[in-house]
Amino acid sequence: KAGVTQTPRYLIKTRGQQVTLSCSPISGHRSVSWYQQTPGQGLQFLFEYFSETQRNKGNFPGRFSGRQFSNSRSEMNVSTLELGDSALYLCASSSSGSRTGELFFGEGSRLTVL
Amino acid sequence: EDQVTQSPEALRLQEGESSSLNCSYTVSGLRGLFWYRQDPGKGPEFLFTLYSAGEEKEKERLKATLTKKESFLHITAPKPEDSATYLCAVRMSGTSYGKLTFGQGTILTVHP
Repeated sequence: KAGVTQTPRYLIKTRGQQVTLSCSPISGHRSVSWYQQTPGQGLQFLFEYFSETQRNKGNFPGRFSGRQFSNSRSEMNVSTLELGDSALYLCASSSSGSRTGELFFGEGSRLTVL
Repeated sequence: EDQVTQSPEALRLQEGESSSLNCSYTVSGLRGLFWYRQDPGKGPEFLFTLYSAGEEKEKERLKATLTKKESFLHITAPKPEDSATYLCAVRMSGTSYGKLTFGQGTILTVHP
């Protein structure tokens, strides 16, 4: 069973640009969550999508947005990039029917903003 | 305010030297406490879920326990391959399934 796939793995942008990151969840998982990981703040929740609807949103500015498609694949977008947006962006998928309730994480997209 | 605090921030052990990592939490309602392992450049890898005080889970050299205020990850006779960052996270009641609140992690280094 394939895991969570994130693309691209690495990217470099400059301030003011925008970026789109992609996530393909585990087959059958309908929930996709996004997290930002930085050395200073750790892992922070960005948003969650379920059946193409945003179910929850973390405390991030409106420059951070996302969407989910009918096949459960998800994208997140960051507009007007700032230096502080440099981070590892992690996508996780889950199945609410799971007994252990865990999230399955991808390997992340490493964003560097210059 | 809901918080998850892990200690110590970093831990260095000799191979075979057992120890414990701590995760204390203050949340209004717990719907699960999770332990993950994260290797450099990788996403977190699931280890355990604990749901209620008194619950214990084991996997190889790792054992997780839960009380009403904290969880411990006990590492027995660790090996160098156990070196990683260990993350604790909680799912709170009244929030959506995909939202976990993470602690800052404990960086474990096991020397041969």
